[in-house]
Amino acid sequence: DQQVKQNSPSLSVQEGRISILNCDYTNSMFDYFLWYKKYPAEGPTFLISISSIKDKNEDGRFTVFLNKSAKHLSLHIVPSQPGDSAVYFCAARAAYSGAGSYQLTFGKGTKLSVIP
Amino acid sequence: GAGVSQSPSNKVTEKGKDVELRCDPISGHTALYWYRQSLGQGLEFLIYFQGNSAPDKSGLPSDRFSAERTGGSVSTLTIQRTQQEDSAVYLCASSLRGNTEAFFGQGTRLTVV
Repeated sequence: DQQVKQNSPSLSVQEGRISILNCDYTNSMFDYFLWYKKYPAEGPTFLISISSIKDKNEDGRFTVFLNKSAKHLSLHIVPSQPGDSAVYFCAARAAYSGAGSYQLTFGKGTKLSVIP
Repeated sequence: GAGVSQSPSNKVTEKGKDVELRCDPISGHTALYWYRQSLGQGLEFLIYFQGNSAPDKSGLPSDRFSAERTGGSVSTLTIQRTQQEDSAVYLCASSLRGNTEAFFGQGTRLTVV
């Protein structure tokens, strides 16, 4: 049972345009959401996060939107740059899971290609 | 160290052999995670350590998998009697506390032949 879903395995965007990566979740106990970026042969790199008490968080070109009622979040990158080409993973964490465990549950990722 | 360090970066092993994967977390980070990524899949949680608390082992796929964290720092993931389905990239991450952002190492690519 996949609790975090990224339904688009890939996305191609022209340089300078907006990239929108989507993520849906099913576990209503999730209270903190993160986006990671991963280049080939490297570990994932933390990009941006959002708490469930907010509906938007912005950091430079990156903005994450959270719609709790729809259990949906999205990452907007504007303007997109060729260096943004990577696999983007959505992750979520429950406030209380197991014996105080803060494990992150990841989606399968979306491969973003920014075309020059 | 400056970041999370994992060794080896690549490991090829024969089916049935045991392997040990090592993770050096960022100094001062109390939380440590192991994940694995199989081909075409997302990151699958394996185990989580937080300080001196009992680890969350709920993600370990079988009793062939075990992990320990010595002195609250270095962690070793051991896979006994490896199978071909164990082939994956094994990723370690650490965070300052469990409820802060996790920083990942570059991973160990394990291939079981």
